[in-house]
Amino acid sequence: SQKIEQNSEALNIQEGKTATLTCNYTNYSPAYLQWYRQDPGRGPVFLLLIRENEKEKRKERLKVTFDTTLKQSLFHITASQPADSATYLCALRVYGGSQGNLIFGKGTKLSVKP
Amino acid sequence: GAVVSQHPSWVICKSGTSVKIECRSLDFQATTMFWYRQFPKQSLMLMATSNEGSKATYEQGVEKDKFLINHASLTLSTLTVTSAHPEDSSFYICSALTGGSTDTQYFGPGTRLTVL
Repeated sequence: SQKIEQNSEALNIQEGKTATLTCNYTNYSPAYLQWYRQDPGRGPVFLLLIRENEKEKRKERLKVTFDTTLKQSLFHITASQPADSATYLCALRVYGGSQGNLIFGKGTKLSVKP
Repeated sequence: GAVVSQHPSWVICKSGTSVKIECRSLDFQATTMFWYRQFPKQSLMLMATSNEGSKATYEQGVEKDKFLINHASLTLSTLTVTSAHPEDSSFYICSALTGGSTDTQYFGPGTRLTVL
């Protein structure tokens, strides 16, 4: 069956450390993968998109890797801050899917302690 | 980034009434918009895809007569929950495609619907 899983429901880290979130998928052929941030009671906010032929993308303190052999994406936040506390969602866009149709994981709730 | 707004941000209604939620792309034209529903601690579930000027495409299990979608212009899509029941209480989120090579979806802030 097709699945997209984010490694843990919650992740607690200390301020200044690097947070690493994992997204694994099975039985999908993704065209690209996106990461979003969602705060409580709010809609997701787009962070980064990485295509199947890209290994790594960076944006300020954020870094995303994409390994289509392992069927895994890693999302890193370096020098984490309490303001980074939120739920982070990964989403796949698959080949053959309806245009723009994203398949979302359940998210990982990140808490950064001061 | 592109901005998508939703109105209202929250609504409480009585069972059996209808509720309309608006989704607007503020600084770009969106030929395609999407409606999602999210239950607590669950992932976003796509309800329907809305293309300007044509009928919406509904996902399996979503009742098109209950969730009416209208995409009358390139910047506005509406979702009407008809004859709402308590089980329709959820967080409804719209998104819009910017198009082009990046094909990125930008999401609205969501609407919390509570049906009493």
